[in-house]
Amino acid sequence: GQQVMQIPQYQHVQEGEDFTTYCNSSTTLSNIQWYKQRPGGHPVFLIQLVKSGEVKKQKRLTFQFGEAKKNSSLHITATQTTDVGTYFCAGPTSGTYKYIFGTGTRLKVLA
Amino acid sequence: AAGVIQSPRHLIKEKRETATLKCYPIPRHDTVYWYQQGPGQDPQFLISFYEKMQSDKGSIPDRFSAQQFSDYHSELNMSSLELGDSALYFCASSLGAGPDPYEQYFGPGTRLTVT
Repeated sequence: GQQVMQIPQYQHVQEGEDFTTYCNSSTTLSNIQWYKQRPGGHPVFLIQLVKSGEVKKQKRLTFQFGEAKKNSSLHITATQTTDVGTYFCAGPTSGTYKYIFGTGTRLKVLA
Repeated sequence: AAGVIQSPRHLIKEKRETATLKCYPIPRHDTVYWYQQGPGQDPQFLISFYEKMQSDKGSIPDRFSAQQFSDYHSELNMSSLELGDSALYFCASSLGAGPDPYEQYFGPGTRLTVT
């Protein structure tokens, strides 16, 4: 079945350092979504990418969708303690509403 | 703005008992999703409904069933509970239109503990 892997699984950074998480799908995705889940919280939608090679920015966050629509990345510039949480990518099985979440990257930011 | 409501927030059941989780999606959202998240795990898709009809099924055990009612609220029924069913259960809803179609809004979750 479809698998979505993320690396790294964990990342500890000093406040102010940059952070990147990579998402790889075993199948082509029609779109990819990114979510952030704070400890003890629920996933919160960050962004959706649809087009091949698409790049979107949200303040310090930059999201990319690969040309083959099988991978994606999230880059955070100058991390802050408020960036702490687990970042998930998620993509639908083709033609369905069945979203497969990636394995997640847990980010810790040290002040 | 209205958010997704889930009840109860916490539930403790014994093995072999049944549980019913409820979800009230954001008004006018046409799709509801159910996910199961174990400790330190990613959310696992269970089932979804589009306009009150089941649209997709994931790794939902046969002991579980779900439905969406005429008022769009959804219920996840879990029978013959097992210890391994202990998890956080999220409901999410989305609207297939607008600038970010299918953006999923998650509820706060129901924490189910089976003893």
